[in-house]
This record gives sequence, C-alpha cells and structure tokens, in this order.
Amino acid sequence: EDQVTQSPEALRLQEGESSSLNCSYTVSGLRGLFWYRQDPGKGPEFLFTLYSAGEEKEKERLKATLTKKESFLHITAPKPEDSATYLCAVPNSGNTPLVFGKGTRLSVIA
Amino acid sequence: KAGVTQTPRYLIKTRGQQVTLSCSPISGHRSVSWYQQTPGQGLQFLFEYFSETQRNKGNFPGRFSGRQFSNSRSEMNVSTLELGDSALYLCASSSQLAGLTDTQYFGPGTRLTVL
Repeated sequence: EDQVTQSPEALRLQEGESSSLNCSYTVSGLRGLFWYRQDPGKGPEFLFTLYSAGEEKEKERLKATLTKKESFLHITAPKPEDSATYLCAVPNSGNTPLVFGKGTRLSVIA
Repeated sequence: KAGVTQTPRYLIKTRGQQVTLSCSPISGHRSVSWYQQTPGQGLQFLFEYFSETQRNKGNFPGRFSGRQFSNSRSEMNVSTLELGDSALYLCASSSQLAGLTDTQYFGPGTRLTVL
C-alpha cells in the first residue's frame, strides 16, 4: 500500500530560525505531490503542487522541493503566523484521490 | 471565485442517529471528495464523486454514503452514528478529469460530535 511519512511530528522554532520539514513517499508512478497548511479547526489550505523530481516552488517564506523519494518544505526566517500543521499528500496508485501524511505540527515562538 | 462551502459547520448528535452533511464545490469543479479527519488517524479518504457517479471509495463501512447532484453539490450521510464517528468531515473539490491529478481545494469542514 502506498505510504506517506512526515517528519518530524512536531517542530518548535524560534522566530527567524529556519528549518525543513520532510515528506517521504512510496508510490509507483508519482502523479504529483501536494503540500497543505492546516490551522486548528479549519480545512487544509493548498500551498504547492510538485510533479517531477528537481522541481521547486516558493511562496513567501516557504519553498518546496521534490526528489524521487521525498519532498522538503523549507521555512526561511519563520514568523509566529507560520505556526500550523503542514500536510503532504500524494495520489494513490490505487483507488483514492489523495493519501495524506500525519502532518508536522509547527510552532514558531516570538 | 467562491471557495468550497460546507454546511453545517458544527453538529452534535447522539449514538444511533443519522446525519447529513452538505458540500458546495468551487464553481466549475465536477469532482467532490470527502475525508474524515481524527487526531489518531489523520485524514482518511471516504469517497469521491464525479459527474454524479461515485468514482472511488475508501475503506469505510456502509453506514457512510454519499451522492452528488447535477449541479455538482454533494451530500454525505452517516447512519446509526457511533461514538467513533466524531471527527472533522472535510469536503474537497477539483476540476479533476479521469486519469489526471489536479489540485484539491478543501472546505472549512463540518465538526461532528457524537454523544
């Protein structure tokens, strides 16, 4: 069965302290990798889609990269408002539109 | 463009009752997917509808069902509620065509509490 594993489960950063979140996946024939941000009690908010190894996308302090086995979400000089759970997902080679990782809960402390 | 809307936002039910949740997709999107999110299991896929037909189904019991209308709006129903059905139910829409993978956009969710 296709799997998506995110690490770490939780990450606590000081404001301005850059770091990276990891998403590793096992799926045959990757048809895209999706990053979402989710605030407590709300629906996931779309951030990025990556389709091929070597692809990079940026949005404000976030940059997503993709290799053949994993994706990284780099957070540069984070601010408290970046605190959220970050989810990655891939389309299953089977019958589900998206398989989600459990997420990384990011806390940025001022 | 208006986003995905879900109603109601909050529901409290008792065991044994049934519940219907509603989702209106982004205008022009024909695919609607439903997910259940719990702290222990994360986001789990329930089913997907495309042009009024269930195209995919996750590993949930038959108490969970859904449908899609000609205007792409979708409803999901849970019968004979159990305590374990307490969760955030999320609807996502996309313009996904068969064989392609397009971005799914999520609604705010319906928080269901079963007492």
